[in-house]
This record gives sequence, C-alpha cells and structure tokens, in this order.
Amino acid sequence: DAGVIQSPRHEVTEMGQEVTLRCKPISGHDYLFWYRQTMMRGLELLIYFNNNVPIDDSGMPEDRFSAKMPNASFSTLKIQPSEPRDSAVYFCASSLRWGEQFFGPGTRLTVL
Amino acid sequence: AQSVSQHNHHVILSEAASLELGCNYSYGGTVNLFWYVQYPGQHLQLLLKYFSGDPLVKGIKGFEAEFIKSKFSFNLRKPSVQWSDTAEYFCAVNKGNRGSTLGRLYFGRGTQLTVWP
Repeated sequence: DAGVIQSPRHEVTEMGQEVTLRCKPISGHDYLFWYRQTMMRGLELLIYFNNNVPIDDSGMPEDRFSAKMPNASFSTLKIQPSEPRDSAVYFCASSLRWGEQFFGPGTRLTVL
Repeated sequence: AQSVSQHNHHVILSEAASLELGCNYSYGGTVNLFWYVQYPGQHLQLLLKYFSGDPLVKGIKGFEAEFIKSKFSFNLRKPSVQWSDTAEYFCAVNKGNRGSTLGRLYFGRGTQLTVWP
C-alpha cells in the first residue's frame, strides 16, 4: 500500500489567496483526519470524517477553513482567504475504525 | 474534557542513557493508547500501541511502554538510547470502542528528545 498521500508537499502563497490541500487515505480506511502542526500550538486536530461524513469540525479555526470528503478516497482542506498565521504543516491521517492512525507526509504551507 | 499530559517538554540525554517519558490521560473508561514518533522533518509514525492484554507493550527500535490503569499512565521507556532516537515523541489516547468520538485520537503536546553522541 502506498500509505496516505498528500499533495502538494510544499505550498507558498500570498496572503489572500485560496489554498487547497489534498489527501488520499489508505484504501479501506473509514476515518480521515486533518491536523495542523505549528511550533506554538503543537499538533491540533482540525476536523475528522467517518465514512465521508464530517464528525467533528470544532477544531477548524474559523470560517476561512473548510474541508470536504466527496468519496472514500479523497479529501480536501481549503483555506480562503489565506493569512500568514495559517502557515504550518498540515497532516492528513486515516484509520480503520478505532485503530492506529497512519499519517501522510504533510503539506508545508507558507503564507507570505 | 479529555486530556493527555506529557510532563517533559524537552529531554536531553547522552547516548546509552536510559529513557523514560511520562504520559498521563484523564479519561476513565476503556482506552487505546499509542506512542508516535516524529523524526526531524518527517511525519508521525507509530512506535507502539496498547489495546488490551499484557500491559507491557514492546514496539519498534527497542522501545516499550507500560500501561498502569490505576495511575492512568502509559510511560515510554528505552534502556539505552541512540543518537538516531533524536525526535519528538507524542502520546495519544482514544476512547476505545464507545462514544461519539469513536476513532478520534487525543494527543499530548509532545516531548522533544535530543540525544548527544
């Protein structure tokens, strides 16, 4: 298995631009998680899905952030408009039921 | 609220020293417990996990952890660390197989381990 796939690996954009991060979970996994990691705040859970349905989005910072999972093999995290404080590494992870989570390589986002 | 505490923010050791990283959680029901490791510039990888059975769990690279239910703890240990163990270590808990937060992991803030050669 290829593991969790994320794209792009690096993204540099200017403040105000729309950013879309993509994730392909491990085939057969029914949970998908989006995390953000920064030096200041550590690892934060933004949102997670079960069987493509959002279960808890209480970690989403504000309305500028949105996430979708149109099918079992694809999810997006969108930031519109982006701000410098959104700069972070964004990880996607997937799991089967309540088992271990497998993390993707992350997207390093820099907003200038 | 569910919480996971890692007491040490940064641990510095010399090679061959023994390691113990503390982890405590606040949930009183059935839990599954995990330790993840994040090497510099990489993503989180599973080090070991506990679901049930023997409370002493052995993981990869010589790491082990002991689940002590009465103390709500799941401390990570390694008898002799190596320079290559330099990384950040995260303890995580989920609420077993019940509840609306099924599947969600609660992470500690992480402990940065630096091993000097």
